[in-house]
Amino acid sequence: EPEVTQTPSHQVTQMGQEVILRCVPISNHLYFYWYRQILGQKVEFLVSFYNNEISEKSEIFDDQFSVERPDGSNFTLKIRSTKLEDSAMYFCASSNVFLNTEAFFGQGTRLTVV
Amino acid sequence: AQKVTQAQTEISVVEKEDVTLDCVYETRDTTYYLFWYKQPPSGELVFLIRRNSFDEQNEISGRYSWNFQKSTSSFNFTITASQVVDSAVYFCALSFYGGATNKLIFGTGTLLAVQP
Repeated sequence: EPEVTQTPSHQVTQMGQEVILRCVPISNHLYFYWYRQILGQKVEFLVSFYNNEISEKSEIFDDQFSVERPDGSNFTLKIRSTKLEDSAMYFCASSNVFLNTEAFFGQGTRLTVV
Repeated sequence: AQKVTQAQTEISVVEKEDVTLDCVYETRDTTYYLFWYKQPPSGELVFLIRRNSFDEQNEISGRYSWNFQKSTSSFNFTITASQVVDSAVYFCALSFYGGATNKLIFGTGTLLAVQP
């Protein structure tokens, strides 16, 4: 069964460092998403990406964040200068928007900023 | 405003008990989708079900069943004869047909602990 793959599963970084979280969405999907879940809290939408551009972003997704689909298969989330409050689980998801099907989620990357 | 409320923060049951997880949503849209996701202790999000706003038929899948009632804006989830493996956080979520991105709006989740 096709799945969304995220790497790494856990990343520890020092405050102020840049991190790149990577995702390989399901190959025939058209919409790509990043969500964030601070420990013990709900899952929050960060950004959606379609046709090589951001289609929607939340208030959380400020100038420190960027997304890219560099090679047609990978989908990355970059945090330019990490803060302690960026520590969270980051989920990548993809969906076939024209059928409004469910988003398939990756297993998540746990980011710890120290 | 679009919102999903899961008022039950934690539920603890003993194995083989039935348990219902509540979900109440708010939206002005007439066409929308409702979802349930399971998040086991390992952390991933597992899709359980999607319903569209035009389909109020209840659904049963093995020990799982869902009761969608537009009149009360609720989409409740029942696990029959619960098992220890059902222990997880369960999230209800809402998305919109034809929206810019079909992003999901999640509730705060209900932690279900099934004791042996």
